[in-house]
Amino acid sequence: QQQVKQSPQSLIVQKGGISIINCAYENTAFDYFPWYQQFPGKGPALLIAIRPDVSEKKEGRFTISFNKSAKQFSLHIMDSQPGDSATYFCAASNPEGSYIPTFGRGTSLIVHP
Amino acid sequence: DAGVIQSPRHEVTEMGQEVTLRCKPISGHDYLFWYRQTMMRGLELLIYFNNNVPIDDSGMPEDRFSAKMPNASFSTLKIQPSEPRDSAVYFCASSRSGTRDTDTQYFGPGTRLTVL
Repeated sequence: QQQVKQSPQSLIVQKGGISIINCAYENTAFDYFPWYQQFPGKGPALLIAIRPDVSEKKEGRFTISFNKSAKQFSLHIMDSQPGDSATYFCAASNPEGSYIPTFGRGTSLIVHP
Repeated sequence: DAGVIQSPRHEVTEMGQEVTLRCKPISGHDYLFWYRQTMMRGLELLIYFNNNVPIDDSGMPEDRFSAKMPNASFSTLKIQPSEPRDSAVYFCASSRSGTRDTDTQYFGPGTRLTVL
């Protein structure tokens, strides 16, 4: 049972464009939503995270939008750069699960120069 | 801190052989996780430990897989006997006690396993 559904599986964007990755969850007990970024040959690393008490969180060119009623959240990468090319994982966690994240399947992002 | 350390970084073995992957978590972290990553299945949680005790091994694919954590600074994932379908990148990750502010998982660089 996939508790966090992520789309698209792959994404190709031109330099300067906006990259958008979407995730949806089912468990309403989730209350922490991190995004991880993985470069080729490396392990995933925390990029940005949001809690459901806010609808948006921005860090530089990266923004998480959160829609609690729809149980959806998304990552927006503004002014995408070739250096953003990586695999992105959304995740969700809750206190009942000791805040151990449930990961989405991942999105492979390629930003063309 | 050196981060999560995994060894070896690459392993090529033949079907039927025993494979042992090693992990040293970040000092002070009391959770340790083993993941497997493939193109087909994405990032799968195999097993995790809390204070050296296995908590959930429901992700371990079959009895050929076993994991141990003899102390707070070392864990192993063993595959015996290995099969070609075990070929994947295996990640170890660690984190501090499960509160919302400390649940960030720190991943190692991974071990790329190829079973011929």
